[in-house]
Amino acid sequence: GAVVSQHPSWVICKSGTSVKIECRSLDFQATTMFWYRQFPKQSLMLMATSNEGSKATYEQGVEKDKFLINHASLTLSTLTVTSAHPEDSSFYICSALGLAGGREQYFGPGTRLTVT
Amino acid sequence: GIQVEQSPPDLILQEGANSTLRCNFSDSVNNLQWFHQNPWGQLINLFYIPSGTKQNGRLSATTVATERYSLLYISSSQTTDSGVYFCAAWSGSRLTFGEGTQLTVNP
Repeated sequence: GAVVSQHPSWVICKSGTSVKIECRSLDFQATTMFWYRQFPKQSLMLMATSNEGSKATYEQGVEKDKFLINHASLTLSTLTVTSAHPEDSSFYICSALGLAGGREQYFGPGTRLTVT
Repeated sequence: GIQVEQSPPDLILQEGANSTLRCNFSDSVNNLQWFHQNPWGQLINLFYIPSGTKQNGRLSATTVATERYSLLYISSSQTTDSGVYFCAAWSGSRLTFGEGTQLTVNP
C-alpha cells in the first residue's frame, strides 16, 4: 500500500515552453501533497505544499507564477513549470501524506526535467 | 526552521561490514523518517520513527527524541545497500531533510 506515482518519469523540453508533471496516490486518498526539487548531489528542498481544493502554499523564494500547482482531487496533484528555462532543469519529486492523519510521507519516483 | 544534520557525509564499506549513520536535529520533532534513495532517484521509506527503536531485517533505527538524534544501523552490508540515506524531520507543517549520507558498499 501507499504507492505514489509520477508522470512523466523524464521530460526534455525547449526553453520557453511549459511542462506539466502529475503526481497520483494510487491506493489511498491524500488531502495533502508536497512538491520537492533536488539538484545533483544535493538534498531535497520543499517547493510547496498542496492541499486538495485550496491554493498551494509556496516556500520562500519559489515563484508561484512559474511553478503552478493544482490539487483538484484527493488522488492527483499537478505541477506545471511555465516558460521553462535551463536553470529549471532538475529532479522534481512529489510526496503524499499517509492515511489517518499520520505524518509519514510517501514519495513518488521523481521526474527528471531537462530544459534545452 | 529546524536544522537537520547527518553524519558522516560519505561512507565506504566492504561487503559484510556494519555501519551506523547519525541524524541530529535542532528542535523537538513530531516525526522522523529515514529514506534510502536508490540510483534512479526513488526514495524508499525505511523507517517512520518519532521515538524508540525499530528493526526491519538487517536495518534498525533508534530515535532519542529528548536528545534530538536518531541512528540508522546497517548490519552485514550488501552492494545493493549503496546509495544515499536521508533522514527527515517533521516539525510544524513540513518535512526538513538532512544533506544525506552517501554509502558505497564494495564487493
